[in-house]
Amino acid sequence: AQSVAQPEDQVNVAEGNPLTVKCTYSVSGNPYLFWYVQYPNRGLQFLLKYITGDNLVKGSYGFEAEFNKSQTSFHLKKPSALVSDSALYFCAVRPPASGTYKYIFGTGTRLKVLA
Amino acid sequence: EAGVAQSPRYKIIEKRQSVAFWCNPISGHATLYWYQQILGQGPKLLIQFQNNGVVDDSQLPKDRFSAERLKGVDSTLKIQPAKLEDSAVYLCASSPQTNEQFFGPGTRLTVL
Repeated sequence: AQSVAQPEDQVNVAEGNPLTVKCTYSVSGNPYLFWYVQYPNRGLQFLLKYITGDNLVKGSYGFEAEFNKSQTSFHLKKPSALVSDSALYFCAVRPPASGTYKYIFGTGTRLKVLA
Repeated sequence: EAGVAQSPRYKIIEKRQSVAFWCNPISGHATLYWYQQILGQGPKLLIQFQNNGVVDDSQLPKDRFSAERLKGVDSTLKIQPAKLEDSAVYLCASSPQTNEQFFGPGTRLTVL
């Protein structure tokens, strides 16, 4: 079955330190990969996507993500965390043969940046 | 560009009552999604429309949930009758088929 895993329920990082939020997927072929962020009482906001090309993708708010095909991973990273980055982060996958634009979401990782 | 609009933002009902949610997608977006997000979980797709046609409703509990997208623009999602386990945030999203989705603020439903 196709799935997306975010192995960490919560990630704590000190402000100014680099952060990584992990995502792995189990989808055949070459899926499209996404990261979304959700602030309290808000809908999800698009951060970045990988479709094809360079394995390092840059997105909004200084975030980037690294696609690793052999490890079927798409980890979200930021060189220097801000307190305002504290939020819930979701990884999502669109299977490649999904002409219907269907997305599978992970369970989310809560990022807490400590001042 | 206006975002995806949803109403109401909050709704409290008793079990066995009915409730309806409304979504107005971004203008020109052909694809519209309804998701259910239970606390502590990721969004789960309930139904996906392409214009006014249903593309995927495989995870929609059709005995109690229904949705329509008349004229291929705004959409309503209805629950009748509601159960306690329907307490969740209901998210609407639209997409111009450039792969990313644009989400509304959601409707938080509490069933007592």
